Amino acid sequence: DAGVIQSPRHEVTEMGQEVTLRCKPISGHNSLFWYRQTMMRGLELLIYFNNNVPIDDSGMPEDRFSAKMPNASFSTLKIQPSEPRDSAVYFCASSLRTGVNEKLFFGSGTQLSVL
Amino acid sequence: AQSVAQPEDQVNVAEGNPLTVKCTYSVSGNPYLFWYVQYPNRGLQFLLKYITGDNLVKGSYGFEAEFNKSQTSFHLKKPSALVSDSALYFCAVRDVNTDKLIFGTGTRLQVFP
Repeated sequence: DAGVIQSPRHEVTEMGQEVTLRCKPISGHNSLFWYRQTMMRGLELLIYFNNNVPIDDSGMPEDRFSAKMPNASFSTLKIQPSEPRDSAVYFCASSLRTGVNEKLFFGSGTQLSVL
Repeated sequence: AQSVAQPEDQVNVAEGNPLTVKCTYSVSGNPYLFWYVQYPNRGLQFLLKYITGDNLVKGSYGFEAEFNKSQTSFHLKKPSALVSDSALYFCAVRDVNTDKLIFGTGTRLQVFP
């Protein structure tokens, strides 16, 4: 299995532009998570889906952020409009199912720089 | 609320020496604890987990972790460090109410030749 695939690996954009990050989870996994990593705040859970349905989006910082999972093999995280403080590494992770016993498999992340 | 704390930002150890990366937890109910490792420019990788049972948990790459209920700790250990173990290590706890995985702030391990 290729693991969790994220694209792009790097994104540089200007303030005010729309940014779309993409994620393909591991085939057969039912849960998908979006995390953001910064030096100041560490790893923050933004949103997670179970069976393509958003379960908890309480970590989404503002209305500028939105996430979708139209099917079991694809998810997007969109920022519109982007701001310099959104600069971070965004990780997608998937797991076979929800539950306290389940481990997460992470993608390699998208390094976002908003100028 | 469930949380974990990693009191050390960085741990330095010489190759061949034992290493310990510290983690303490605060939970209501049974703790479900994890360790993940992050190599440069990579996503996090699962190392090991404690759900129930033996207090000493063995994981990937020769790592192990000791669950101590009285001290509310879950320290990561390895008997003999390798230079290739140099990475960022995260302790995490599963929130049983929300199913979220809550990460600590991370500890950078530097192993010197």
